[in-house]
Amino acid sequence: KNEVEQSPQNLTAQEGEFITINCSYSVGISALHWLQQHPGGGIVSLFMLSSGKKKHGRLIATINIQEKHSSLHITASHPRDSAVYICAVRAMSGETSGSRLTFGEGTQLTVNP
Amino acid sequence: NAGVTQTPKFRILKIGQSMTLQCAQDMNHNYMYWYRQDPGMGLKLIYYSVGAGITDKGEVPNGYNVSRSTTEDFPLRLELAAPSQTSVYFCASGKGKGNQPQHFGDGTRLSIL
Repeated sequence: KNEVEQSPQNLTAQEGEFITINCSYSVGISALHWLQQHPGGGIVSLFMLSSGKKKHGRLIATINIQEKHSSLHITASHPRDSAVYICAVRAMSGETSGSRLTFGEGTQLTVNP
Repeated sequence: NAGVTQTPKFRILKIGQSMTLQCAQDMNHNYMYWYRQDPGMGLKLIYYSVGAGITDKGEVPNGYNVSRSTTEDFPLRLELAAPSQTSVYFCASGKGKGNQPQHFGDGTRLSIL
C-alpha cells in the first residue's frame, strides 16, 4: 500500500462543475502539498497545508489531520484547469531527511467545454 | 527570475552510454532534489542535497550519482544507461526550513534505447 493514495485516478467534468480530488495518507505528517502538473509537464506548487483550509481563487484545499485526509476542490471548473493534480506529504521524520516529500500517483483532470 | 533550470529538455541515449543532467537554481535555496516520474507512478526521489558539499540517497538511487559543489548547481549523472532509466526527470529546490514549497524545473525527458 502506498503511503499516499489519491482518488480518483481520472476525472472528467463539464465546464462549470464543482470538482473534488481526495488524498489519504498513512504516516504522521508535518505538511501536505498539492501540486499541479501542466499538460506540457511543468509542476507548480498550489498549496501547502498543515491544518485547516486554504483558498486561492477558485481552488480550496482542506486537511483533516486526525483522519489523515485532504481534499482539493475546484469551483466553477474551466478547461484550463485540465492537468494532473498531485498530493505529496512531508513526514514527521522529514526534519532529519532533507524535507523529503512522498508523492501520490496523481489525478488526471479533464474539463470539457 | 529563472527559478530552476534543467538541461537538456529531451535526450535519447544508447544502452551503456553516460550523460549528465544539469540543474541550476538562482533562488539561493539550500535544498535541492532529483526525482524521476514514470508513467502512472508518483514522483520518486533519487538523490537530494541539503547544502553545498552534502548529498544523500533517496528512494531510487541505484544507477545514478550526484554532486553539489555550489549552492546553485546539482547535476545528476547516469554512468551506464539502462532501459529502466527511461523516464522524465525533475529537479527541484526549496528553502527546506519548516514547511516551504519546492520549486520544480520543467523536466528532462530521457529515453534509453
